[in-house]
Amino acid sequence: KQEVTQIPAALSVPEGENLVLNCSFTDSAIYNLQWFRQDPGKGLTSLLLIQSSQREQTSGRLNASLDKSSGRSTLYIAASQPGDSATYLCAVNQGEMNRDDKIIFGKGTRLHILP
Amino acid sequence: AAGVIQSPRHLIKEKRETATLKCYPIPRHDTVYWYQQGPGQDPQFLISFYEKMQSDKGSIPDRFSAQQFSDYHSELNMSSLELGDSALYFCASSLSVASLYANTGELFFGEGSRLTVL
Repeated sequence: KQEVTQIPAALSVPEGENLVLNCSFTDSAIYNLQWFRQDPGKGLTSLLLIQSSQREQTSGRLNASLDKSSGRSTLYIAASQPGDSATYLCAVNQGEMNRDDKIIFGKGTRLHILP
Repeated sequence: AAGVIQSPRHLIKEKRETATLKCYPIPRHDTVYWYQQGPGQDPQFLISFYEKMQSDKGSIPDRFSAQQFSDYHSELNMSSLELGDSALYFCASSLSVASLYANTGELFFGEGSRLTVL
């Protein structure tokens, strides 16, 4: 059974620092991995999507990497800003052709950027 | 671009009442997911539909039911509401990886419906 773990559960860093959020999964047979951001009481906003054949994706100050064989993904945030404060969730999609998609979430990392 | 639309955004009910939440997926998306998120919790999968058929079932209580209609919108029906049902209910849609269209399988979420049971 696929399990997704995110470490750390919470993180507080001063503004301007670079930081790394970690996501690990137990079954490497994934179709893709997606990183989301969630502000309190709000919906999930897709940040980056990495296909199983890819190693990384970049969007602005965000860079996500994927090492499928070791079951790990990292979300790198450069030059953090107070507006980056949110909960970051990773989710793996175990969908395959001829099989229904199955999305499994980690419990998230609550990030607080100190001004 | 059109996003996932959920209604109502906020709903207050009494215990033992019934509630219905609606979800309108992104056009052309063939898969809809329902998630429940309690305070400080990660989203818990309830149920999903692929091409209007139930495709997977998670931790959905027997008091809840859902369906997807011919126009692909979905409704989550919750009966005999309990205090513990108070949560954010999210709908998400995607184009299934099984689709004939080349796609990434990216998941898009609605803003959620906040249910408060008093």
